Amino acid sequence: KQEVTQIPAALSVPEGENLVLNCSFTDSAIYNLQWFRQDPGKGLTSLLLIQSSQREQTSGRLNASLDKSSGRSTLYIAASQPGDSATYLCAILRGNKLVFGAGTILRVKS
Amino acid sequence: NAGVMQNPRHLVRRRGQEARLRCSPMKGHSHVYWYRQLPEEGLKFMVYLQKENIIDESGMPKERFSAEFPKEGPSILRIQQVVRGDSAAYFCASSRDISYNEQFFGPGTRLTVL
Repeated sequence: KQEVTQIPAALSVPEGENLVLNCSFTDSAIYNLQWFRQDPGKGLTSLLLIQSSQREQTSGRLNASLDKSSGRSTLYIAASQPGDSATYLCAILRGNKLVFGAGTILRVKS
Repeated sequence: NAGVMQNPRHLVRRRGQEARLRCSPMKGHSHVYWYRQLPEEGLKFMVYLQKENIIDESGMPKERFSAEFPKEGPSILRIQQVVRGDSAAYFCASSRDISYNEQFFGPGTRLTVL
């Protein structure tokens, strides 16, 4: 059974700080890995998708890496802003379904 | 290009009633997925459909839950005889194809069972 773990569960940082969110998974036989953000009471916004053959993807201030051999992915957020405050979810695609971690709740203080 | 649309956004039902949740995928997407987010729990896969076919329903409860994606119209998640434990946020996602399979999510339907 595929399990996805996200560390830390919650994170509070001052504005402007660079930060790293961690995701680990138990089975390296994944198709791809997706990072999402979820705002309270809202849906999920896809941030980055890394295919199994790729090592990283970048979008603006976000950079996500994937190391299948160690079963890890990191989401790096540069120069954090209060608008980045949300829950960040990591999900691996196993077959047809996304398997989600519990998320990291990020708060960026102004 | 409109995103994934779900309605209603909020639904209140009394125990024993039926709930119907609708999902219209993004334009050009023929793959639809339903996920459920129970209070204080993570998102869990329920079912994957293509037009007129259920491909994977391994996450669906065995009773009272059904899903369809007809040739015309939105995908429907139907919950019969709802119970309080069905209260959750139900999210629909769609993707263009299975090979790349980036899934885009709708805003969700929040079901409350009284």
